[in-house]
Amino acid sequence: KNEVEQSPQNLTAQEGEFITINCSYSVGISALHWLQQHPGGGIVSLFMLSSGKKKHGRLIATINIQEKHSSLHITASHPRDSAVYICAVRPLRGATNKLIFGTGTLLAVQP
Amino acid sequence: EAGVTQSPTHLIKTRGQQATLRCSPISGHTSVYWYQQALGLGLQFLLWYDEGEERNRGNFPPRFSGRQFPNYSSELNVNALELEDSALYLCASSLSDRYQPQHFGDGTRLSIL
Repeated sequence: KNEVEQSPQNLTAQEGEFITINCSYSVGISALHWLQQHPGGGIVSLFMLSSGKKKHGRLIATINIQEKHSSLHITASHPRDSAVYICAVRPLRGATNKLIFGTGTLLAVQP
Repeated sequence: EAGVTQSPTHLIKTRGQQATLRCSPISGHTSVYWYQQALGLGLQFLLWYDEGEERNRGNFPPRFSGRQFPNYSSELNVNALELEDSALYLCASSLSDRYQPQHFGDGTRLSIL
């Protein structure tokens, strides 16, 4: 079983819909990242969370440390939001800054 | 502020050759991370350098190595290339504090023929 699980793996939405992507993890963490990867490969860091909730524009990220779960919400989705969204955690244990990644959620927003 | 820059964008090699990938971190960042994204496998941690030292490495064979220079830029070297080394190699940088976010480059796509 992967240490970081995302759902759904694939998501197709109509423009304007509210989107939720979920991330569950099994290790203790010091932080959780939400990343966006467009075709071609470049990765943009959207959020880094260690508790609570963060908002940036139409994007909202929440985390529940006790339940080891995080969600990424996109309000009023737009075709330019189409990308792969990746959840990554920084383990608490060990002298390392490495990230452990989920397998990603491929989002397609149709006009 | 310039972001993390990687070069080259694409690299084509044949089996058995050696590849060198380069990364320049954001100014002021002392930590550099290397990740591999092979087709269908997701992102895997390769190496972490901080202040010129290798701090941690992922589950990769010794032919994957690298270094960090005094200006904090970094090289990833892959020796004796194998077909399965074909992947997107991403570099990220951060401030040294482990609670700082990592900022990613656009990657180098390495293709092994």
